[in-house]
Amino acid sequence: DTGVSQDPRHKITKRGQNVTFRCDPISEHNRLYWYRQTLGQGPEFLTYFQNEAQLEKSRLLSDRFSAERPKGSFSTLEIQRTEQGDSAMYLCASSRDVGNTEAFFGQGTRLTVV
Amino acid sequence: DAKTTQPTSMDCAEGRAANLPCNHSTISGNEYVYWYRQIHSQGPQYIIHGLKNNETNEMASLIITEDRKSSTLILPHATLRDTAVYYCIVRVGMKTSYDKVIFGPGTSLSVIP
Repeated sequence: DTGVSQDPRHKITKRGQNVTFRCDPISEHNRLYWYRQTLGQGPEFLTYFQNEAQLEKSRLLSDRFSAERPKGSFSTLEIQRTEQGDSAMYLCASSRDVGNTEAFFGQGTRLTVV
Repeated sequence: DAKTTQPTSMDCAEGRAANLPCNHSTISGNEYVYWYRQIHSQGPQYIIHGLKNNETNEMASLIITEDRKSSTLILPHATLRDTAVYYCIVRVGMKTSYDKVIFGPGTSLSVIP
């Protein structure tokens, strides 16, 4: 068990550019979550996958955001036409769907839009 | 929306017990109390959870009142590495359905030398 892995850890991009983040969950974890966290706030839920199916999206996930989990393993979160307000920590978490179902979080990807 | 109320911040002397309170007066019968913590610049870390009985693990103890409207997380011997934001969360036990973790602002615990 190597934990939830996120890549990259840090990303600086110019406004208007597209960025993509990757999350590798703990193996055999069916559930995968994306969160966003701004300074001084708790993490905010963005979206959830059960295997490859995206089952819930927060209203925070605007049309510029898209998340995928094509084979039910790793997931990607893409932000198109980034804005300065997108600057935040993007966290990924995974959990089992039976038994001990607590969520394990990755270290996050810190995005800075300049 | 978060279903819990926590103090914004607390201090604790190193080596002493840290007692972090949480109010969850609207908790439902099938909802568990979970605690996570987040050390600066890291992702949240699961600590402990419980339904109605008190729970203890290698990290902490969780005391839930009999009416389940409040709980206390106890770090028995706080160290400087316990300085973090602590989140108290209520969520449904997920045997057959999922329930995302909804974070409030949490309690910022500072352990003082």
